[in-house]
Amino acid sequence: EVQLVESGGGLVKPGGSLRLSCAASGFTFSNAWMNWVRQTPGKGLEWVGRIKSKTDGGTTDYAAPVKGRFTISRDDSKNMQYLQMNSLRTEDTAVYYCTTLQGYSSKYWGQGTLVTVSS
Amino acid sequence: EIVLTQSPGTLSLSLGERATLSCRASQSVSSSYLAWYQQKPGQAPRLLIYGASSRATGIPDRFSGSGSGTDFTLTISRLEPEDFAVYYCQQYGSSPMYTFGQGTKLEIK
Repeated sequence: EVQLVESGGGLVKPGGSLRLSCAASGFTFSNAWMNWVRQTPGKGLEWVGRIKSKTDGGTTDYAAPVKGRFTISRDDSKNMQYLQMNSLRTEDTAVYYCTTLQGYSSKYWGQGTLVTVSS
Repeated sequence: EIVLTQSPGTLSLSLGERATLSCRASQSVSSSYLAWYQQKPGQAPRLLIYGASSRATGIPDRFSGSGSGTDFTLTISRLEPEDFAVYYCQQYGSSPMYTFGQGTKLEIK
């Protein structure tokens, strides 16, 4: 059974940093392309970024609102994906989901972790 | 940026009825790049349809997707109690790479 478990969310002040983790199991993580998607009541679902498998180059892509502030990485030896978030803004407040990419869609989703950016 | 507009915003139907949800793109989208998700309160979204018309693993055959170009449709042939949820379409493009519609809430009438 595929499982994705996010952790690391919480309350942080504007300008602060947070690192989210996603623990994966039930599939060959090293072959997977992985995504981060966030959800807010006001803006709905928003793609954050993705990382390709190392076999496919391991490169990352980011949405414009987070580019230069957020960094996605992976540790295939631990079946983990990470989202390092710096210079956080109030508009980054959201539930953050880790997903697997299959083709052009997110096949499996974690349960999400809430990030609140507030003073 | 391709914008996806879903309609209606809310759809009120009874059990056993047919539901037709629309997703309209601001520019043409390859059918391969169009997906539909279902989200229930307190849960993560679940992939229903990919490639505009292919059902994801374990999705009942009462769910079907169709469309091409700028107009796509998710149809639920006979509504079951568990189908009442919010539905999102999503497309893969260039920048941003993935965009979602604003969602259609399917509620019991």
